[in-house]
Amino acid sequence: SAVISQKPSRDICQRGTSLTIQCQVDSQVTMMFWYRQQPGQSLTLIATANQGSEATYESGFVIDKFPISRPNLTFSTLTVSNMSPEDSSIYLCSVEKWDPNTGELFFGEGSRLTVL
Amino acid sequence: AQSVSQHNHHVILSEAASLELGCNYSYGGTVNLFWYVQYPGQHLQLLLKYFSGDPLVKGIKGFEAEFIKSKFSFNLRKPSVQWSDTAEYFCAVRTGTASKLTFGTGTRLQVTL
Repeated sequence: SAVISQKPSRDICQRGTSLTIQCQVDSQVTMMFWYRQQPGQSLTLIATANQGSEATYESGFVIDKFPISRPNLTFSTLTVSNMSPEDSSIYLCSVEKWDPNTGELFFGEGSRLTVL
Repeated sequence: AQSVSQHNHHVILSEAASLELGCNYSYGGTVNLFWYVQYPGQHLQLLLKYFSGDPLVKGIKGFEAEFIKSKFSFNLRKPSVQWSDTAEYFCAVRTGTASKLTFGTGTRLQVTL
């Protein structure tokens, strides 16, 4: 398994500001992902955080709005830039412990952002 | 691109009732299938998964799911639900060699005493 710590767990932010969310894993992992869970909706993948290179973004998400860093195999950050109320959501860090037969994703507890 | 459909958005059951939550996906190739559960105020946890082999998969807490390839389905079942099963349930699919998951919209299960 993997233990994932996210900071902050929740925050209230003002429109136009930026917030960086940190994700720390208790062991080295190859794959790290950032998901968004908007109120009453499912999880949507924002991007794959690649160690040592630029993140891979899904359709509808761009680096200028959601810059991601991944300096090593246990840590990543997601920044939500120039926030608006539509960015109010839970942001989840996820990692994969890969085994060809049993690989699964583990999730952090999420960071609940409210933008006023 | 693949998609995942969960047709039941909100299900209300009495304790001891049987449960079946539908999940259908659209992808013609090899898939890995997952059910995750999110209890109130907690993070997502894996209930069960299917990679290959026996299409009837047993998970934690008495849950099971059956992969029916011809129907592109992976429905979740439990013979007798408990109040503590109140949670949101998400079906997810991984296709090919990609690691990322595509999630369904989720089903909110409410179990009444």
